[in-house]
Amino acid sequence: EPEVTQTPSHQVTQMGQEVILRCVPISNHLYFYWYRQILGQKVEFLVSFYNNEISEKSEIFDDQFSVERPDGSNFTLKIRSTKLEDSAMYFCASSGPTSPETQYFGPGTRLLVL
Amino acid sequence: SQQGEEDPQALSIQEGENATMNCSYKTSINNLQWYRQNSGRGLVHLILIRSNEREKHSGRLRVTLDTSKKSSSLLITASRAADTASYFCALPGGGYNKLIFGAGTRLAVHP
Repeated sequence: EPEVTQTPSHQVTQMGQEVILRCVPISNHLYFYWYRQILGQKVEFLVSFYNNEISEKSEIFDDQFSVERPDGSNFTLKIRSTKLEDSAMYFCASSGPTSPETQYFGPGTRLLVL
Repeated sequence: SQQGEEDPQALSIQEGENATMNCSYKTSINNLQWYRQNSGRGLVHLILIRSNEREKHSGRLRVTLDTSKKSSSLLITASRAADTASYFCALPGGGYNKLIFGAGTRLAVHP
């Protein structure tokens, strides 16, 4: 069964450094998302992406964040200058054309900012 | 704004028993989804129920939706230790398929 994959599974970085989290969505999916989950808290929506542009973003998704679909298969989340409070599990998700409401999540990248 | 709340926050049962968890929400929806999250892992889609449906089944899962009470329930029958996980309801957040998650119910099934 097709699945969403994410790399790396864990990332440790120093405050102020840039990080890029990578995702490979399910191949025929058209809608892509990033969510995050701070330890012990709810899963929070960050951004949705469709037709090569951001379709919606939350207030968390400020100028330090950006997303890109560089090559038609990968979907990346970049944090330009990480803060301690960016430490969280980051989930990529995708959904297909026949049931766009149903999102399929990757296993996540655990980001720790020191 | 939309918000989902699961109840109970935690549930501990023996294998073979049924587990019921509930989700209440604030504003009208056209669908509601349930997801499972094993500890430290990604979310797995379980079931989607639309506002014109009252009940839906998938294997040992039964989901109900009462739009008049703005609530949904997830029933897992004949639970197994492998069902141990957190269960979340996910509500449409408007716009481009944004999902809003509740805090979840932590289910522990003991052998």
